Order: sequence, then structure tokens, then C-alpha cells
Amino acid sequence: DIQMTQSPSTLSASVGDRVTITCRASQSISSWLAWYQQKPGKAPNLLIYKASSLESGVPSRFSGSGSGTDFTLTISSLQPDDFTTYYCQQYNSYPWTFGQGTKVEIK
Amino acid sequence: QEQLVESGGGVVQSGRSLRLSCEASGFTFSNFAMHWVRQAPGKGLEWVAGISYDGSHQYYADSVKGRFTISRDKSQNTLSLQMNSLRTEDTALYYCARVNGWYSDYYYTLNVWGQGTTVTVSS
Repeated sequence: DIQMTQSPSTLSASVGDRVTITCRASQSISSWLAWYQQKPGKAPNLLIYKASSLESGVPSRFSGSGSGTDFTLTISSLQPDDFTTYYCQQYNSYPWTFGQGTKVEIK
Repeated sequence: QEQLVESGGGVVQSGRSLRLSCEASGFTFSNFAMHWVRQAPGKGLEWVAGISYDGSHQYYADSVKGRFTISRDKSQNTLSLQMNSLRTEDTALYYCARVNGWYSDYYYTLNVWGQGTTVTVSS
């Protein structure tokens, strides 16, 4: 199975900051990588698919990059609504796997 | 409006069975692969199982293989998860989700999610 490792587990930042979350796959997954945002008590929301494609309706301050084994999610200017948890997920092969999550908290 | 509504969760003793359902509306159910994802209390997301758009292929996490069965009924626009031999570690919120592309098991991921149904397995 492909292991997905996110870092950091927790990130402290302020409104307006540029933040980056990293996800590493244990083997190459080409560009079959998604990023989700999950708010407490809610279902996950797809932000980025195919490593860098922005899902419809998602603000442009979110961007993704990477291929192979190393990927990043960047929020260009953190907004109050963005303080929550983010997950990466590989869908290159079954079983699909998620990273352990990154919680973005207010500094 | 594309919508998924899960049902069937509850409290069950270890070793028993439970069947979850997910009713789809607002889209052509038979065009899309479907999946179950779960989240244990206070933990991260875990993919559980997936099924192809036509029901011909099923995929499972190692943790549920041989115990859970995913299926779909296109006449009822319903996705199901039969869970047998339940364990306390199966306690979680179970989400039903749809992929973001047609007619393929691969290279599409999850862009429509239900609100989940809670399964609690007691010892």
C-alpha cells in the first residue's frame, strides 16, 4: 500500500500569512493527488485534484503543486475561514490512502 | 442539486452485522464510481471501499477486506455497505462519496460527499 505522510501535523499562522503543507508518497503516484479541507462536524471538501487542478468554486488563494512523490498545498493569504484541517489523498492505485492531516491553527 | 444521504448507522455489539445505505439524487447515479470513507472519533480520514460505476469491480481497504461488502442498486440509486464481523475499531462516522468523473474506477477522486452516518461497535 502507498503511505502518505503530511507535514507538519499542526501549523500555527496568522491571517494573511502564506502557508504551505507538504505531502509525501511512499512511491510515485504521478499526479494523482487530491487535497481536502475538513471543518469540524462537516464532510471533507475537495480543494485540489490531479495535484494542481483547482476544484470549481474553490478560492484561487488555494494552489497545489508537485508530481511523483512530493506535493504541496499552498494558501497564498490565509483567511479566517481557512483555520481548519487539511488532508492529502492518493488515488493512483487501490487501496486509496489519506495523509494523517494538518491542522492549521491561529497563532 | 447533487446529494448523498447516508443511513443505517447505529450501536451494535462486536461480532455483529450492520448495513449502511446511501441514497443518491440530482445526478445520474449509474455513471459514477462510488466510495465509502470513514473517520473514527477525533481521527483522520480512512478510505474503506469503492465500486465501479457499473458494479463490476469492488475495491477494499485491507482493514475491512473479507468482512465488508460494497454494492449498488441502480434502480434505487442506492449504494450499500454490508459490514459483518464488526470490531470496536470499526467505530466511526461513515461517509458515502462520489467521484468527479464518469465511467471510470481510476483517476477520479471524491467531490460529492454525504454528511455521514455513525457506527458504534461496543465490546
